[in-house]
Amino acid sequence: DGGITQSPKYLFRKEGQNVTLSCEQNLNHDAMYWYRQDPGQGLRLIYYSQIVNDFQKGDIAEGYSVSREKKESFPLTVTSAQKNPTAFYLCASSITSGASYEQFFGPGTRLTVL
Amino acid sequence: AQSVTQPDIHITVSEGASLELRCNYSYGATPYLFWYVQSPGQGLQLLLKYFSGDTLVQGIKGFEAEFKRSQSSFNLRKPSVHWSDAAEYFCAVGAPRGAQKLVFGQGTRLTINP
Repeated sequence: DGGITQSPKYLFRKEGQNVTLSCEQNLNHDAMYWYRQDPGQGLRLIYYSQIVNDFQKGDIAEGYSVSREKKESFPLTVTSAQKNPTAFYLCASSITSGASYEQFFGPGTRLTVL
Repeated sequence: AQSVTQPDIHITVSEGASLELRCNYSYGATPYLFWYVQSPGQGLQLLLKYFSGDTLVQGIKGFEAEFKRSQSSFNLRKPSVHWSDAAEYFCAVGAPRGAQKLVFGQGTRLTINP
């Protein structure tokens, strides 16, 4: 079945550590996205990528980094510079052409900083 | 800049009752509009979308939404809710073309009374 996988489902990190969240899709979508979700704040865009080896900052990119070396993969690194990283992280993908480009979401990773 | 407002943070309805969730957007032209649903600890699932044409759109799980340009609204409705509809609902707006970035509302949490 086509879809988006995120791993791990739960992640615990000590303060001062970098951690990488995995996102893989087999939908053959060109675009991929990372969102952060906090209670009562909806989803906020961290980074997005429309093509391999290219990505753009979203609204809250500070303290995060990404790479897009393969079409299927868009890992997110939460660095020690992110002041409040505890949140639910969602990865999504979409096509980039045509009339319908809804985003398809993965199941999410819950990151907790201890 | 695009923005989405969901005025109701939390709504409680009885099973079998009708439902309307409100969504107002701010955008310079006709945007692409989406409603997503999220069960606790899960990713988002697309309920329906509006790009153009008929302003009343049908979605999955018996939901529909109506685009009203004069009111900048895209309210979600269901004639009779089921206990399984309890979830969080997000309205989102995107540009008709371009970067496919979505802006999400803060979400409305729906509780169903038996």
